[in-house]
Amino acid sequence: GAGVSQTPSNKVTEKGKYVELRCDPISGHTALYWYRQSLGQGPEFLIYFQGTGAADDSGLPNDRFFAVRPEGSVSTLKIQRTERGDSAVYLCASSLTAGVTEAFFGQGTRLTVV
Amino acid sequence: AQKVTQAQTEISVVEKEDVTLDCVYETRDTTYYLFWYKQPPSGELVFLIRRNSFDEQNEISGRYSWNFQKSTSSFNFTITASQVVDSAVYFCALSEAKGGSEKLVFGKGTKLTVNP
Repeated sequence: GAGVSQTPSNKVTEKGKYVELRCDPISGHTALYWYRQSLGQGPEFLIYFQGTGAADDSGLPNDRFFAVRPEGSVSTLKIQRTERGDSAVYLCASSLTAGVTEAFFGQGTRLTVV
Repeated sequence: AQKVTQAQTEISVVEKEDVTLDCVYETRDTTYYLFWYKQPPSGELVFLIRRNSFDEQNEISGRYSWNFQKSTSSFNFTITASQVVDSAVYFCALSEAKGGSEKLVFGKGTKLTVNP
């Protein structure tokens, strides 16, 4: 597709369950970023991939959060033992190269933990 | 630590009015980048502008203009002759230039409502 695609668009899960959120970046973009946006707040950085490797995961809140990008394209954000505080919109972005080039964002996955 | 402050939580104007969205940033880096993004109700962040710390020239793009002043650590955004389609949440953001990461630090956003 032409833009960054995120699936599902909405996800409701029970507390304690495991969830996976998927991001399809723009074709050819080597850099991929995950952000989390809580209601009424700006997005907060979680993790950044350059190719297949996580170049910066300093924003992951704890070890329940993990992300992979095994083939350097699609990325999956994984959350174990979900908590109600994990409820937020999870945004994915990609850019052509690493560095401060323009990042294109997807529409996000709204995660609700009940 | 880096920080971005958007003091205006919400602004409401009538169509055709000019409106300025304020952004103040804090950083100890000498090289950094500033951004503005628009987030319409659909939720997708739309890139508007990127400016590096060495370029203090103001920029105009159609009805949009940006005023970057390092002396006051501000990067304000003005919409001239606002339109209803400008209604959205606008975010100012700052990035660290080292390490090759576009790790953005966002402000809390300003919700702009343009009424007909």
